[in-house]
Amino acid sequence: QSVLTQPPSVSGAPGQRVTISCTGSSSNIGAGYDVHWYQQLPGTAPKLLIYGNSNRPSGVPDRFSGSKSGTSASLAITGLQAEDEADYYCQSYDSSLSGEVFGTGTKVTVL
Amino acid sequence: QVQLVQSGAEVKKPGASVKVSCKASGYTFTGYYMHWVRQAPGQGLEWMGRINPNSGGTNYAQKFQGRVTMTRDTSISTAYMELSRLRSDDTAVYYCARFVVVPAAMAAEEGWFDPWGQGTLVTVSS
Repeated sequence: QSVLTQPPSVSGAPGQRVTISCTGSSSNIGAGYDVHWYQQLPGTAPKLLIYGNSNRPSGVPDRFSGSKSGTSASLAITGLQAEDEADYYCQSYDSSLSGEVFGTGTKVTVL
Repeated sequence: QVQLVQSGAEVKKPGASVKVSCKASGYTFTGYYMHWVRQAPGQGLEWMGRINPNSGGTNYAQKFQGRVTMTRDTSISTAYMELSRLRSDDTAVYYCARFVVVPAAMAAEEGWFDPWGQGTLVTVSS
């Protein structure tokens, strides 16, 4: 019952740039609530990648960047590397549901 | 370092209950809400609810109202999530995650999860 929509998959060759969209509505992203992104490597717990729309925690490479506009947000990965193969999820707050909501998830494949 | 360590995998029969623990270390346990998120096999992340470790107050996703109970024991910095009347579609990995509130947030519930526990696989099968 995800209320944030992401593309199921994106792919790119090593070194290329890929972007992942996260589309919400007027009760979450469109209402001005921040968007956060997580990376989930196979068989592991999610890890914080971007917080507050565009901020990187310490230790996250600057190849990862985030942005937000209107009812959508985006995650960009530049200089794609094999180790970036993972699932990526966006997250925000929804005032109609009075709770946290996640995106549907996007699998990134490095060709 | 901030760390959340969860209890081990569980196998339960339909109709039973399961209680998962999440032990926090490296920070003041009562200073951050703890949330629970689950992930069914091959599926995405699903928010279940949260507990305020300081007051014990809880908020649950509507889907789990009446079936989930979140508690805490501040003396051992541990949060618990109990899910009752288990069904086969409750088979999932259950995560606890510390919640960091957005500075000057529009809502007190606005923030991000960092870090996450390692996850606890709960299998419901007859």
